[in-house]
Amino acid sequence: GAGVSQSPRYKVAKRGQDVALRCDPISGHVSLFWYQQALGQGPEFLTYFQNEAQLDKSGLPSDRFFAERPEGSVSTLKIQRTQQEDSAVYLCASSLPRYSSSYEQYFGPGTRLTVT
Amino acid sequence: KQEVTQIPAALSVPEGENLVLNCSFTDSAIYNLQWFRQDPGKGLTSLLLIQSSQREQTSGRLNASLDKSSGRSTLYIAASQPGDSATYLCAVPSNTGKLIFGQGTTLQVKP
Repeated sequence: GAGVSQSPRYKVAKRGQDVALRCDPISGHVSLFWYQQALGQGPEFLTYFQNEAQLDKSGLPSDRFFAERPEGSVSTLKIQRTQQEDSAVYLCASSLPRYSSSYEQYFGPGTRLTVT
Repeated sequence: KQEVTQIPAALSVPEGENLVLNCSFTDSAIYNLQWFRQDPGKGLTSLLLIQSSQREQTSGRLNASLDKSSGRSTLYIAASQPGDSATYLCAVPSNTGKLIFGQGTTLQVKP
């Protein structure tokens, strides 16, 4: 596709429910990042993939958060037993090169998760 | 640990004014700095990326400058328009590539 896509765009979950958020990066992009953005704040890093390898998951807030990218393209962020503090916008970004520090990250529209 | 700060948190100006948004970072050893725009309920749109070897980048009415030694970047918007109303975020990458963001400046341009 032309850009990074994410689905669903909006998700309402009852406290305790499991949710799965999907990210389709730009075709051919090696690096994929997940960020969490609370209301009124800047995005905060969750995890990073290089192809199918999860190289950094230091930002995942708890063991209820799990991310995968099994074939090195589409990625899924799963949140188990959702809590109200998980309510946020979840942003996905992709970047082309293996060593992505010098290159732009392209962001998807985000998934707004509301836990009631 | 890299920290990024944006001041002011919010700004309201009349249409037509030139304005400057500020971004500061604590570790000057950066690869680049990226400015983004975020409209309410939307994702991030990349505006400008300045490589560490550059001092400024321009795109239309936008000009971003970078002073690594002082740990500062500015985004200059010329002749502001109501359509410029949005939140502006700056970010720098860590050595692993993850972006570290400021909290953003929310701009309102009044007609």
